[in-house]
Amino acid sequence: GQQVMQIPQYQHVQEGEDFTTYCNSSTTLSNIQWYKQRPGGHPVFLIQLVKSGEVKKQKRLTFQFGEAKKNSSLHITATQTTDVGTYFCAGTNAGGTSYGKLTFGQGTILTVHP
Amino acid sequence: NAGVTQTPKFQVLKTGQSMTLQCAQDMNHEYMSWYRQDPGMGLRLIHYSVGAGITDQGEVPNGYNVSRSTTEDFPLRLLSAAPSQTSVYFCASSYDRVGQPQHFGDGTRLSIL
Repeated sequence: GQQVMQIPQYQHVQEGEDFTTYCNSSTTLSNIQWYKQRPGGHPVFLIQLVKSGEVKKQKRLTFQFGEAKKNSSLHITATQTTDVGTYFCAGTNAGGTSYGKLTFGQGTILTVHP
Repeated sequence: NAGVTQTPKFQVLKTGQSMTLQCAQDMNHEYMSWYRQDPGMGLRLIHYSVGAGITDQGEVPNGYNVSRSTTEDFPLRLLSAAPSQTSVYFCASSYDRVGQPQHFGDGTRLSIL
C-alpha cells in the first residue's frame, strides 16, 4: 500500500537557524498537504501543492513539490519559538486501488531553543 | 461556526468497557474521518465516510465501529476497549474526499487501563 515517509523524526534548532523536513512517497501523488500541530493541539492545514515542481511560500515557510510528484519538503528560514510543533505531510494517492487515499507521514517534531 | 467538535476531551476506561467518541461538524462537509495519533506513528486512518449512510474502513479499523446517519455527525464506537487503543483520537472533515484541506477537531485523549 501507499507509504509516506517523513524525515527527520526530531529536529532541535537554535532560534534563528533554518529547518527543513522531507516527505517521500512510495507512489505518485496527485497532491500533497502540509499541517502543523502545536504541542497539545490539533493538526492545522498550512498549504496544498498540486503541480509538479511547484514552490509556494508563506512568509518564512517554503514548500516544494518534487518533479516526479513523489516527494516534498518544508523549509523554515530563521526559526522562531512560535514555530515549535509537529509538522506533517499528507499525500493523496494519484491512482490504482488507493486512488484518493490521503496518507500522513509520521511527522517531524521541531523544538526551538531561544 | 464551531467547526469540528469532539467530545469528550479526555476519557479513562477499563479494559472491556465500550464507549462512543462523538464528532460533529457544522460546515456541511461530506467527507469525515477518524484518526488515531500515537508517538512516532503519525496520524493513522481508522474509518471514513464520504457522505451520510456511507462508511468505509481505513488503515487500522479493528476494534472500532462507525456510522453516519446525518451529514453533521460521525461517532466512533469502541466495542471492547483494550490497552492498545490508548491514544489520541482526532476527527476531521472536508468538503470532499480528494484534494481538500482537512479540518480537525481538538481531539479526545483516551486511556485504557
